[in-house]
Amino acid sequence: DTEVTQTPKHLVMGMTNKKSLKCEQHMGHRAMYWYKQKAKKPPELMFVYSYEKLSINESVPSRFSPECPNSSLLNLHLHALQPEDSALYLCASSQDDSGGRGEQFFGPGTRLTVL
Amino acid sequence: KNEVEQSPQNLTAQEGEFITINCSYSVGISALHWLQQHPGGGIVSLFMLSSGKKKHGRLIATINIQEKHSSLHITASHPRDSAVYICAPRGAGSYQLTFGKGTKLSVIP
Repeated sequence: DTEVTQTPKHLVMGMTNKKSLKCEQHMGHRAMYWYKQKAKKPPELMFVYSYEKLSINESVPSRFSPECPNSSLLNLHLHALQPEDSALYLCASSQDDSGGRGEQFFGPGTRLTVL
Repeated sequence: KNEVEQSPQNLTAQEGEFITINCSYSVGISALHWLQQHPGGGIVSLFMLSSGKKKHGRLIATINIQEKHSSLHITASHPRDSAVYICAPRGAGSYQLTFGKGTKLSVIP
């Protein structure tokens, strides 16, 4: 299984809603990533988890809250978002061992619209 | 900070043509990714390479670490190859990819 899955594919939410994005992989990868991508722009790194611990937080606002419950699963909890947070949210995973950080495999993304 | 330049920014080709996309970067790296993204879609990792050359089907990627340059070649291009191709080098020991601005490829039947 060389796939990263993300749910939901599309999400529309109001600024007062609380929602969560989910990412799953079964490749045994120990690093997992959240990216945000605006239209016609390259992805921007948000968070990195390594061995279920938060390793990188790229100064992301607290209305985005990541969670890594186990080595296969990564969540992104959303609360009180702004319309400018509308974007494609991509999850990725890679091996993370003495051999290096490994090739990143990306999921299909969740298209988020904040009204 | 790694400066990544891709060329060309846009490329239109006839079906069957040989395609080359170039990527230059400014700082030493441990590896470089080539990624593909279809309009409105997720990202597919095509290659990760740290030296030499890799081939997968009609796709070939090469890298010259000394010259800080990589190329992606597509042989016998097909309309389904139409997508944005992104070069993303990674520094030694880093999780971070530095993304190029992408090359938008359109292959016309």
